[in-house]
Amino acid sequence: TQLLEQSPQFLSIQEGENLTVYCNSSSVFSSLQWYRQEPGEGPVLLVTVVTGGEVKKLKRLTFQFGDARKDSSLHITAAQPGDTGLYLCAGATPWNSGYALNFGKGTSLLVTP
Amino acid sequence: IAGITQAPTSQILAAGRRMTLRCTQDMRHNAMYWYRQDLGLGLRLIHYSNTAGTTGKGEVPDGYSVSRANTDDFPLTLASAVPSQTSVYFCASSDSSGDGEKLFFGSGTQLSVL
Repeated sequence: TQLLEQSPQFLSIQEGENLTVYCNSSSVFSSLQWYRQEPGEGPVLLVTVVTGGEVKKLKRLTFQFGDARKDSSLHITAAQPGDTGLYLCAGATPWNSGYALNFGKGTSLLVTP
Repeated sequence: IAGITQAPTSQILAAGRRMTLRCTQDMRHNAMYWYRQDLGLGLRLIHYSNTAGTTGKGEVPDGYSVSRANTDDFPLTLASAVPSQTSVYFCASSDSSGDGEKLFFGSGTQLSVL
């Protein structure tokens, strides 16, 4: 069962365009993370959102956590070729005595010059 | 700063053979994880360890085993590889297994089972 659904799966845009990626779930998460993965590398954490309605900015990237803490979005302003990569959202779910991150399938972004 | 080191980087393996993927971290993190990443399926948790000496099963543990003899090392063993285990394997670690903990990932091992 995929707890986190990401959309779109693929996105190809030109440099300078804006885009939004969505991460939705029927489950409530106490926190949600966004990672970016480049080819041949492991995912790297971009941001963690914790509070419902929270908005965090990382340069041209804006992350929002839904009020009900079931969904999140990532907005990129004026995309650049360096933004190309796989964007993954992840939520912590209780697993035995701790928590484990459950990942969405990701949005593959290609930004062309 | 090494972080997490995985070896080998890639491997082609005959079905039925035994294989151990190595993972070492130098951050003294308590929790470690093994994920596999497959096209269309995303990252799925295989096994995890909250602290040295303990391990647990993740979402897709069948056909895999792990051990955590010390803090730094978390090897993943395929006792008898099958083609469905062809995947990219990522080892990760975090300071604890608490909610919201940041995961640090290795660069992955590309495994092909023929």
